[in-house]
Amino acid sequence: EAQVTQNPRYLITVTGKKLTVTCSQNMNHEYMSWYRQDPGLGLRQIYYSMNVEVTDKGDVPEGYKVSRKEKRNFPLILESPSPNQTSLYFCASSLSRSAGVPGANVLTFGAGSRLTVL
Amino acid sequence: EDQVTQSPEALRLQEGESSSLNCSYTVSGLRGLFWYRQDPGKGPEFLFTLYSAGEEKEKERLKATLTKKESFLHITAPKPEDSATYLCAVQPRGGGSNYKLTFGKGTLLTVNP
Repeated sequence: EAQVTQNPRYLITVTGKKLTVTCSQNMNHEYMSWYRQDPGLGLRQIYYSMNVEVTDKGDVPEGYKVSRKEKRNFPLILESPSPNQTSLYFCASSLSRSAGVPGANVLTFGAGSRLTVL
Repeated sequence: EDQVTQSPEALRLQEGESSSLNCSYTVSGLRGLFWYRQDPGKGPEFLFTLYSAGEEKEKERLKATLTKKESFLHITAPKPEDSATYLCAVQPRGGGSNYKLTFGKGTLLTVNP
């Protein structure tokens, strides 16, 4: 089944304790992205990656790091989590950014990771 | 800056009562407008992409339309299983290498039996 898999789905941690949220896709997609979803703010992009070893900041990158060493994986790293990073996180991927190929630019989302930082 | 405004924030319908959700947008050249459905505790699920004004797409009880300033998601004779949050997003033309979507805050639709 084509999917984006995130782990963990739920996590409660304490301020300052480094954590990594993994994201893996099995569709050979080039583009991957992380979003956070907060009540009243909607989905906001954190980081994105156009391909292996190519990453860049989205709208709210502060406090986060990413890496793309393999095409299928795009982990989100919180080096020193703070309470304002308590949120619902989504990883998403698409085949490419090209709108010329039908469906190529459609994002497939993971099921989400709910993070609570105390 | 790209902006997406969805209305209403919440909509409660009786089963069979047709209605429409609105998505108003401002973007510097539209590459695509997307509709997603999000069920509680799950990730958004793709519904439609619209590329140009006048375009329409249908899927079961849902029909999406697009003008130069807004999109509508029409729901005909809804059923309780249509209850979800519906998200609208726009992708601007250009934008460098980012395939970024700007999302609206969504419309929470509840369909009562």
